[in-house]
Amino acid sequence: GIQVEQSPPDLILQEGANSTLRCNFSDSVNNLQWFHQNPWGQLINLFYIPSGTKQNGRLSATTVATERYSLLYISSSQTTDSGVYFCAVPGFMEYGNKLVFGAGTILRVKS
Amino acid sequence: NAGVMQNPRHLVRRRGQEARLRCSPMKGHSHVYWYRQLPEEGLKFMVYLQKENIIDESGMPKERFSAEFPKEGPSILRIQQVVRGDSAAYFCASSPGSTGELFFGEGSRLTVL
Repeated sequence: GIQVEQSPPDLILQEGANSTLRCNFSDSVNNLQWFHQNPWGQLINLFYIPSGTKQNGRLSATTVATERYSLLYISSSQTTDSGVYFCAVPGFMEYGNKLVFGAGTILRVKS
Repeated sequence: NAGVMQNPRHLVRRRGQEARLRCSPMKGHSHVYWYRQLPEEGLKFMVYLQKENIIDESGMPKERFSAEFPKEGPSILRIQQVVRGDSAAYFCASSPGSTGELFFGEGSRLTVL
């Protein structure tokens, strides 16, 4: 099945710093999602980004499907950005959208 | 427009009891997925359902676990005779069609004593 690798596994930032998280995947995909799991365990949709670039406030994401990677940019980080960031892509499925998740990047933002 | 609603948010069971987790998809969504997140791990696919049909249950353990999505009412994930290894967060996701963005609920956290 498809493999999803995220890097770095852990990241510690000082408040106000910028960061880039990477997601590599082993096969062609027709969609990709980024999620933020906050310290309370809630899973929050960040981006649905099969290709191209999207921006939402201080966050933006870019997917280069032909090269099988996606990047999540966090600018001017805040302590509320702490948590785990997952990317997910569809695994093989004849019908449906069974997402395969990466192991995540644990982000800690210090004040 | 309410999001995906899961309940209970937290559930404590003793070994051998049954756990029932409920998921109401977003309005207009007829496709439901269940995922399990073990402590310190990512989410793993369990089962994909549409109304009254199980489409793909390749991620479900062979025994004790079952899922349904009836014509009326929420989707139910049922775990019989729970064991400590079933302690996890169980997430439900829904989508309006067979492809496209999945929207996740806040999860149900099962603790087995």
